[in-house]
Amino acid sequence: GAVVSQHPSWVICKSGTSVKIECRSLDFQATTMFWYRQFPKQSLMLMATSNEGSKATYEQGVEKDKFLINHASLTLSTLTVTSAHPEDSSFYICSAQQGTEAFFGQGTRLTVV
Amino acid sequence: DQQVKQNSPSLSVQEGRISILNCDYTNSMFDYFLWYKKYPAEGPTFLISISSIKDKNEDGRFTVFLNKSAKHLSLHIVPSQPGDSAVYFCAASRYGQNFVFGPGTRLSVLP
Repeated sequence: GAVVSQHPSWVICKSGTSVKIECRSLDFQATTMFWYRQFPKQSLMLMATSNEGSKATYEQGVEKDKFLINHASLTLSTLTVTSAHPEDSSFYICSAQQGTEAFFGQGTRLTVV
Repeated sequence: DQQVKQNSPSLSVQEGRISILNCDYTNSMFDYFLWYKKYPAEGPTFLISISSIKDKNEDGRFTVFLNKSAKHLSLHIVPSQPGDSAVYFCAASRYGQNFVFGPGTRLSVLP
């Protein structure tokens, strides 16, 4: 199947700093990528839909100024968590759409201390 | 209100037996469904899909059944293996966009 690479796989940062997570589709072009967040023992929660060359569409309750999404090319979308706080600590996962299937990155474990 | 429900948070099955994971949805506009498997600290991996024009799709040990009138789908794993132990998510979408995930069911296959 298609490969989606997410980097980094884990990151620890200080409170107040910003962290950038990259999501790349390695062997296909993805006009649409999705960013999810998973809380412990809960389902994946869609944060935003990222479309190449246009502004991301955020789900209700997700702060767009805090979670900056850039989809500058057909193979790369980035999520930047700005001014991170301990409550932002979570597992973030991206997916890229190919046809009617979504392929997921490996996920990024963010820990804010 | 959860649009996709997996009412069993966990399931234990003996190796070699059948595992049946259930999923219910509320939105009748959903027309494409997928099952994902997830190991701890990893992203979900795609298992099997089914569109609303079918009621069954089979891939090796995995079979997904869809009952549109009941808004219910199930994943059967036969025979279950210890490596199948993971969290299984069902996801529903319309036209394959913006998947809505269920909360997941943790499957433990006991040797």
